[in-house]
Amino acid sequence: GAGVSQSPSNKVTEKGKDVELRCDPISGHTALYWYRQSLGQGLEFLIYFQGNSAPDKSGLPSDRFSAERTGGSVSTLTIQRTQQEDSAVYLCASSLVGAPVRFFGPGTRLTVL
Amino acid sequence: DAKTTQPTSMDCAEGRAANLPCNHSTISGNEYVYWYRQIHSQGPQYIIHGLKNNETNEMASLIITEDRKSSTLILPHATLRDTAVYYCIVRVANQAGTALIFGKGTTLSVSS
Repeated sequence: GAGVSQSPSNKVTEKGKDVELRCDPISGHTALYWYRQSLGQGLEFLIYFQGNSAPDKSGLPSDRFSAERTGGSVSTLTIQRTQQEDSAVYLCASSLVGAPVRFFGPGTRLTVL
Repeated sequence: DAKTTQPTSMDCAEGRAANLPCNHSTISGNEYVYWYRQIHSQGPQYIIHGLKNNETNEMASLIITEDRKSSTLILPHATLRDTAVYYCIVRVANQAGTALIFGKGTTLSVSS
């Protein structure tokens, strides 16, 4: 595709359930980022994948959060045992390593009831 | 530790230049200065970046002081649509780059 895509666009889940959010980066982009933004808050960095290097997981808020990137392309962010405070828009971005991060996906709006 | 310091908010009249300051006194020699903005309910948007020379593109100009400890983003003719949160970020941009971390930014309000 021409841009970063994310799915689903909206996800409503019940507290305690696991969710998986998907990000398809721009083809050839070796750097991939996950962020989340709670209502009225700023952008919170979650995790950064860079090529074959070990990901920077320093932003993950708890061990309920994990992410993987298969084959250097698609990434999945998994939240286990969701809590109401996990409700937010989850954004993905990709870039060439060393280049400005210009391309953000449309986000997945997660609502935990 | 925050690498950048920005005012919480600024106001600007439509049609005037908006000058948004950023302090980054601990910037390293291999760190670039990046500016992004986020308009309400939209995703972040890249604006401009620079290392030590002043930069200009179709959106804005970036002025970096000679000691690189501060910079100013200039929107030459602000419009109502420029109302947004503006983020100044310092970041290494090489093969071993670091994550792009957004701080609290400056909320710019452009009014008519």
